[in-house]
Amino acid sequence: NAGVTQTPKFRVLKTGQSMTLLCAQDMNHEYMYWYRQDPGMGLRLIHYSVGEGTTAKGEVPDGYNVSRLKKQNFLLGLESAAPSQTSVYFCASSDFGENQPQHFGDGTRLSIL
Amino acid sequence: GEDVEQSLFLSVREGDSSVINCTYTDSSSTYLYWYKQEPGAGLQLLTYIFSNMDMKQDQRLTVLLNKKDKHLSLRIADTQTGDSAIYFCAESIWDSSYKLIFGSGTRLLVRP
Repeated sequence: NAGVTQTPKFRVLKTGQSMTLLCAQDMNHEYMYWYRQDPGMGLRLIHYSVGEGTTAKGEVPDGYNVSRLKKQNFLLGLESAAPSQTSVYFCASSDFGENQPQHFGDGTRLSIL
Repeated sequence: GEDVEQSLFLSVREGDSSVINCTYTDSSSTYLYWYKQEPGAGLQLLTYIFSNMDMKQDQRLTVLLNKKDKHLSLRIADTQTGDSAIYFCAESIWDSSYKLIFGSGTRLLVRP
């Protein structure tokens, strides 16, 4: 009963390096989301997807790219990491519909030096 | 734009009731949610309320909604040390798809 799984759990990068965060869900959900959580700011939506092959920008998309090649996976890429991207990243998924709760992964803690 | 506000910190004694407050701005929100985040974990849905309801009770949890004032509260009865966590209020909005707008979270500390 995995739900939403994020890998890796922790990562330290140097400024300018690139990396990809992986999110996988086994609930056959249509919608998937990437958030970042910073102290005192709650969760802010980076990008989201409403189905396989689709992506859309959220509130804070700059510096990130995403892909949804398979329904169960949603990848978040940092092309050239910056210290301002130090954060905890959460992936979530939900069914389509107005009152479909979002199910969250346990997060990836990313530090950019 | 949409905004959800919460107080940052609440401290209560074990066995007392906790009340966490939230205000939101989008009057068209039809669902409002409370999520709980324990250390090192993701967000877990606690409860939700539909906007045409004033109150919803679920065991130790009571949600009150004042739609006129756009005020939402979560009451936890008989608060336990295991309730220590960050609690997020969120409103559901439609903006090309259904999205959640989260508050900044209220850290609840339960003292023995």
